[in-house]
Amino acid sequence: DSGVTQTPKHLITATGQRVTLRCSPRSGDLSVYWYQQSLDQGLQFLIQYYNGEERAKGNILERFSAQQFPDLHSELNLSSLELGDSALYFCASSDRDRGPGQFFGPGTRLTVL
Amino acid sequence: GQQLNQSPQSMFIQEGEDVSMNCTSSSIFNTWLWYKQDPGEGPVLLIALYKAGELTSNGRLTAQFGITRKDSFLNISASIPSDVGIYFCAGPITGGGNKLTFGTGTQLKVEL
Repeated sequence: DSGVTQTPKHLITATGQRVTLRCSPRSGDLSVYWYQQSLDQGLQFLIQYYNGEERAKGNILERFSAQQFPDLHSELNLSSLELGDSALYFCASSDRDRGPGQFFGPGTRLTVL
Repeated sequence: GQQLNQSPQSMFIQEGEDVSMNCTSSSIFNTWLWYKQDPGEGPVLLIALYKAGELTSNGRLTAQFGITRKDSFLNISASIPSDVGIYFCAGPITGGGNKLTFGTGTQLKVEL
């Protein structure tokens, strides 16, 4: 158990819909990262938040957005969903002072029908 | 971009055998990380390497930070069934923040 929690575990929705994925980092970790894992693209970095502020951005689509709240939990919002958005979405957290190793949550499997 | 290529893509070995896999990049990395992912789970950090030439062990796992800083190696000794999974190398992407780029993965299957 990494200490990172994600909800829901599975999500099935239809094209055009909007969903929110939730992540709670390990206790004491200020950084939260979101990654997408698909069969054809592998594990891809989406976005990082540090203590409530956006810190770094990867190849995140404009239809996707995220935020980190004062209690440090984070949400990833996916809108106007397409079939190709079906993937595993992972949240990870780290305490930047201890080095770049990140600890991953169990993931949310999103299926868009 | 900073891409990481892993080889082999998959391997099928017998229980008790030693395993070697590697990760290469066209760019220099200052940190190498090795993760393992079990089916339906998130990646788990196995070993972190911070210095060229560094050799670090975690139980039966040993990883090395290549001298050129463009590669890293992971060895598993005396493999057991629970070693099954996908092994990923990863390194921090330049350009701010603490984001990681992940390798293509090596899938390990162990035959009893």
